Amino acid sequence: QAGLTQPPSVSKGLRQTATLTCTGNSNNVGYQGAVWLQQHQGRPPKLLSYRNNDRPSGISERFSASKSGSTASLTITGLQPEDEADYYCSAWDSSLTAWVFGGGTKLTVL
Amino acid sequence: EVQLVESGGGLVQPGGSLRLSCAASGFTLSTYWMSWVRQAPGKGLEWVATLKGDGSEKYYVDSVKGRFTISRDNAENSLYLQMSSLRVEDTALYYCARNIMDVWGQGTTVTVSS
Repeated sequence: QAGLTQPPSVSKGLRQTATLTCTGNSNNVGYQGAVWLQQHQGRPPKLLSYRNNDRPSGISERFSASKSGSTASLTITGLQPEDEADYYCSAWDSSLTAWVFGGGTKLTVL
Repeated sequence: EVQLVESGGGLVQPGGSLRLSCAASGFTLSTYWMSWVRQAPGKGLEWVATLKGDGSEKYYVDSVKGRFTISRDNAENSLYLQMSSLRVEDTALYYCARNIMDVWGQGTTVTVSS
């Protein structure tokens, strides 16, 4: 099953803004949007955003998501050291009837 | 507290079988879509299977179709993944996740090796 496309790595400075992208197609990201997950080393993933920009309780407003066509984006403002992690996007693909994941983006905070 | 706890992982030879369990607490599992997601060592997340809350729909990644079965037990409030004909490439940390992946367990490790 085809996956979503994410850049392998992004590096930004402390207190800067990072924008991570996730490209799919009209059957997945373009259909219902994407969920964004954060995973620190050795920890399970944590949901950051769903339905494009709904945040679960407890997730900082520094994390915001959006979608344009078949590309979803996660913007993290005021980068902190604890934001250094792997970020995954995922979406339900209505054609494949499957969840598809991006390969993940490793965010480094300099 | 909403929680998922996986168990059942271990070391198994190629061609062998394992049954993973995911015990839910703090919510009724049967009212949610539930999924299994795996992560091979040093790799990204890979969706494995999804079960609709009422059990009427099941979906699998192509690589496990015919070998893995997702199911649940309402009385136990638990999700299962029966894995057979295991391959070396099935080696991974297996997570269960709720619905739109808003709740995850800590995972259970499956190692397929001779």
